Amino acid sequence: GAGVSQSPRYKVAKRGQDVALRCDPISGHVSLFWYQQALGQGPEFLTYFQNEAQLDKSGLPSDRFFAERPEGSVSTLKIQRTQQEDSAVYLCASGLTASTDTQYFGPGTRLTVL
Amino acid sequence: SQQGEEDPQALSIQEGENATMNCSYKTSINNLQWYRQNSGRGLVHLILIRSNEREKHSGRLRVTLDTSKKSSSLLITASRAADTASYFCATDTSYNTDKLIFGTGTRLQVFP
Repeated sequence: GAGVSQSPRYKVAKRGQDVALRCDPISGHVSLFWYQQALGQGPEFLTYFQNEAQLDKSGLPSDRFFAERPEGSVSTLKIQRTQQEDSAVYLCASGLTASTDTQYFGPGTRLTVL
Repeated sequence: SQQGEEDPQALSIQEGENATMNCSYKTSINNLQWYRQNSGRGLVHLILIRSNEREKHSGRLRVTLDTSKKSSSLLITASRAADTASYFCATDTSYNTDKLIFGTGTRLQVFP
């Protein structure tokens, strides 16, 4: 079956632009996670959804970052007024249950802010 | 912030050799996982070990967990060129099971 997909795979934005990154989790997966991965580092947690409920957004670095999952499937991570420090790979992962056991990752979106 | 520190940061070996990488973490956990990331790709789950387990095997992988030392090791036996990747440990925390906290990763290079 299909895995987690993300689009676009690459995004170049000018500083100050808004961007929207999409994640299509595995069908039926309850949990959905967003991570930010800087070059040469491990992923850092941004936010977590259980179905359509955003239960943890403690990792979002500023109020310019916003995530939603309105119908409990597809999720969008929006970054407003992008800054150069937002350049990173944004990874989405989904899980069958509400726990953190075995997350299935998408290929990521590489965001470059010029 | 990242909970896990991995050691070594980089490792180069020949095919057929064993590769050992270590992970240390800071807080009490429910489980620890290891993931692999090929260059430019997403992460792939390798193995999960729970806090009440000390050792686990999966194919050529062997994971140990020492909760008293807050450390884990991943052993890859009889390595192959295809094992070339970055390896990350990830933990939840006993007080917040909503998220995984990843280590800094070990970059493994296996030469044919």
